[in-house]
Amino acid sequence: ELKVEQNPLFLSMQEGKNYTIYCNYSTTSDRLYWYRQDPGKSLESLFVLLSNGAVKQEGRLMASLDTKARLSTLHITAAVHDLSATYFCAAARYSGGGADGLTFGKGTHLIIQP
Amino acid sequence: GAGVSQSPSNKVTEKGKDVELRCDPISGHTALYWYRQSLGQGLEFLIYFQGNSAPDKSGLPSDRFSAERTGGSVSTLTIQRTQQEDSAVYLCASSLGLFETQYFGPGTRLLVL
Repeated sequence: ELKVEQNPLFLSMQEGKNYTIYCNYSTTSDRLYWYRQDPGKSLESLFVLLSNGAVKQEGRLMASLDTKARLSTLHITAAVHDLSATYFCAAARYSGGGADGLTFGKGTHLIIQP
Repeated sequence: GAGVSQSPSNKVTEKGKDVELRCDPISGHTALYWYRQSLGQGLEFLIYFQGNSAPDKSGLPSDRFSAERTGGSVSTLTIQRTQQEDSAVYLCASSLGLFETQYFGPGTRLLVL
């Protein structure tokens, strides 16, 4: 059974600081996703990571994947208030010619204070 | 273009009643997924469709839950004899294919009294 663990689950940080959210998964995963959710809203896709060593960047967010360590990270550089949200990582596993749905972590609730 | 749409956006029902939730995927997306989000359980995968078929229904919480998809487009999730523990946000997502990024709809907030 594929399990996904995120940490920290709650993070309060100041604007301008850097921080990293960690995502561990328990078994081989074919793809790793990062999503953002604002309060009362749905999930917005941020990144899809497909292979070992993959790194993707968008603005102040950078995601990476280490399949050997079964670890993905979401790094926030020089945080700004607009990045306050809940961030989810999710892993996907495809087997037998079919697909399972995404297995999500519990989410990291990020608050960025001025 | 239009994203994934879901209706109703909110539904309040009494325990024991049946409810039907609707999902309209992005045009051209062949894969469609249902998830449930609640405070206690987080985000749970329920079922997916490739075209009109759902190969694996084991993610559905109980036999009170069923889903169908017709014409390779709109899907409905039906919950029979609702229970209070069914209260959650039900999210639908679609993707171009099974291995593509899933795009989520706004969700249906279900409250069972």
